[in-house]
Amino acid sequence: QLQLQESGPGLVKPSETLSLTCTVSGGSISSIENSWAWIRQPPGKGLEWIGTRYYSGSTSFNSSLKSRVTVSIDTSKNQFSLKLSAVTAADTAVYYCARLADYYDSRSYSIGRYFDYWGQGTLVTVS
Amino acid sequence: QSLLTQPPSVSGAPGQRVTISCTGSSSSIGSFDVHWYQQLPGTAPKVLIYGNNNRPSGVPDRFSGSKSGTSASLAITGLQPEDEADYYCQSYDSNLRGYVFGTGTKVTVL
Repeated sequence: QLQLQESGPGLVKPSETLSLTCTVSGGSISSIENSWAWIRQPPGKGLEWIGTRYYSGSTSFNSSLKSRVTVSIDTSKNQFSLKLSAVTAADTAVYYCARLADYYDSRSYSIGRYFDYWGQGTLVTVS
Repeated sequence: QSLLTQPPSVSGAPGQRVTISCTGSSSSIGSFDVHWYQQLPGTAPKVLIYGNNNRPSGVPDRFSGSKSGTSASLAITGLQPEDEADYYCQSYDSNLRGYVFGTGTKVTVL
């Protein structure tokens, strides 16, 4: 059973860089079927995808955040991380790490990806 | 800015059937599968339905999904008190080149 756990400072000052780490247990972060993502949820609001690192090594990011986001992986520690620069109060949110799983539906012949494992989330306040 | 629209809330009595709609566009739901997540208060989202109508192991068959054109729906039959939660649809948008979530729907069990 895969488990994910976010860690990092709960309070960040405006204009500084938010840094979070997701530790993966129960599986290898470098396994070919594993892609990893960050998702956030401002207090009382909905979910927002931040970015993904695919097992191929490529990355993709939410266009609204792209200029400020970095996602990296540390295979030796089985961790992946998020850095979000120049934060403002609008970046205050619960930040989740998640695995992005591939699937093939043999009935509809469709392929796709969905977020199957999530961390418990960590609240980061910018103030 | 979410490009998948859901009703803010739905409610029903125990045992009833409720449905949650998710409306997108040709570049999202019209081209890609839809997935549904349940978020109980104070917890992380959990996948309920993937690939429009597939339930992961352990998800009760009271939950079902469907998709038609640029819209999708989640149905909960035999509503139970523990179903009170927020529900989100999710897909991919080729115009944005990224994953998008719905606006979220709060289900209340009367």
